[in-house]
Amino acid sequence: GNSVTQMEGPVTLSEEAFLTINCTYTATGYPSLFWYVQYPGEGLQLLLKATKADDKGSNKGFEATYRKETTSFHLEKGSVQVSDSAVYFCALSGLVGSGGGADGLTFGKGTHLIIQP
Amino acid sequence: ETGVTQTPRHLVMGMTNKKSLKCEQHLGHNAMYWYKQSAKKPLELMFVYSLEERVENNSVPSRFSPECPNSSHLFLHLHTLQPEDSALYLCASSQGGGGGDTQYFGPGTRLTVL
Repeated sequence: GNSVTQMEGPVTLSEEAFLTINCTYTATGYPSLFWYVQYPGEGLQLLLKATKADDKGSNKGFEATYRKETTSFHLEKGSVQVSDSAVYFCALSGLVGSGGGADGLTFGKGTHLIIQP
Repeated sequence: ETGVTQTPRHLVMGMTNKKSLKCEQHLGHNAMYWYKQSAKKPLELMFVYSLEERVENNSVPSRFSPECPNSSHLFLHLHTLQPEDSALYLCASSQGGGGGDTQYFGPGTRLTVL
């Protein structure tokens, strides 16, 4: 079955530091890959996505590249801010049910990121 | 109102109670989902509805009963729950049809079972 592995943390960095959160996956077929972010007391928000190999998703200074050869989708940001403190989830999509018609997301356990001023 | 909304935001119930969680999406989507977020486990997919038909029931105990009366509304009916069912229950919606489309999440209902 599908699975996602990501570093759990907490990861503590100083403001303006470089961020990498590793994510690797196991899947059948060619899933789409996602990073979602969850701020305290809120639901998940899409941060970025990539739908095929070598695609790069980017948003708000975050980037991740779909690497089929290493089955990875690592999240990076060049200079983090205190406001980036949150929990980050890597996920992949897979068709569900016998007739398709919808995707289910398989998530990693989440990485708690803490940025100190 | 826009996006995906969920009510109530917080719910405390005893093991013999019956309650329902409600989700509403204002995005014109055709697929809706229930996920469970526990403290020590990854987010787990529970149910998937596409065009109001249930297409996935991910081995969820029968004390959880979903209902999708139309493409904008999704319910999760709860009865005789256990303390280990305490979690954040998240609803999501997407365009549907597969293909890796983006799922949009509501804020969740924090459920505590006493």
